[in-house]
Amino acid sequence: KAGVTQTPRYLIKTRGQQVTLSCSPISGHRSVSWYQQTPGQGLQFLFEYFSETQRNKGNFPGRFSGRQFSNSRSEMNVSTLELGDSALYLCASSLGTGLASSYNEQFFGPGTRLTVL
Amino acid sequence: SQQGEEDPQALSIQEGENATMNCSYKTSINNLQWYRQNSGRGLVHLILIRSNEREKHSGRLRVTLDTSKKSSSLLITASRAADTASYFCATDDWKAQKLVFGQGTRLTINP
Repeated sequence: KAGVTQTPRYLIKTRGQQVTLSCSPISGHRSVSWYQQTPGQGLQFLFEYFSETQRNKGNFPGRFSGRQFSNSRSEMNVSTLELGDSALYLCASSLGTGLASSYNEQFFGPGTRLTVL
Repeated sequence: SQQGEEDPQALSIQEGENATMNCSYKTSINNLQWYRQNSGRGLVHLILIRSNEREKHSGRLRVTLDTSKKSSSLLITASRAADTASYFCATDDWKAQKLVFGQGTRLTINP
């Protein structure tokens, strides 16, 4: 099976712009979770989508949003970019059994490295 | 907020030696997971241990879980240069229904 893919791999934006990142999960996986990784804050959970619905959400401002399509592919959007949004954004897919993605092992994509200037 | 706290933050050993990393957490969990991350790349799942399990093995990896002490350890035996990476524990916060990662242990295997 093909692994989790994320596009683009690298992105450079300026403050105030918006960005959309894409994630294609492993075939058959219905849950997609997004994480932000920074040197200072480490890995932080953004949100999880399951069957096109946001099932869980982390403590991030409303500028961070996402969606999931019927084929389980997911996108996340960050509007009005700030310098502090520079990070590695990781997407993970899992089968989705249980109440949350955290119930099962998660399969991570290579990440999108976003730099905000 | 970080629930899992790894110890040590960095570990450097010679190839062939064993490496032990520890993880402590604060709240009740359903499971605890260990992941590996090579520099700037995605995470690779290593082992998932559920709250009713005490020990699990996978190849050269051995994970223990002590729920009474809210701690876990990851042992890598007969280390190889390819094991050089950051290792993260992640706890399944059943109340928040999300995985909460620690800050990681940076492991360096010297040839």
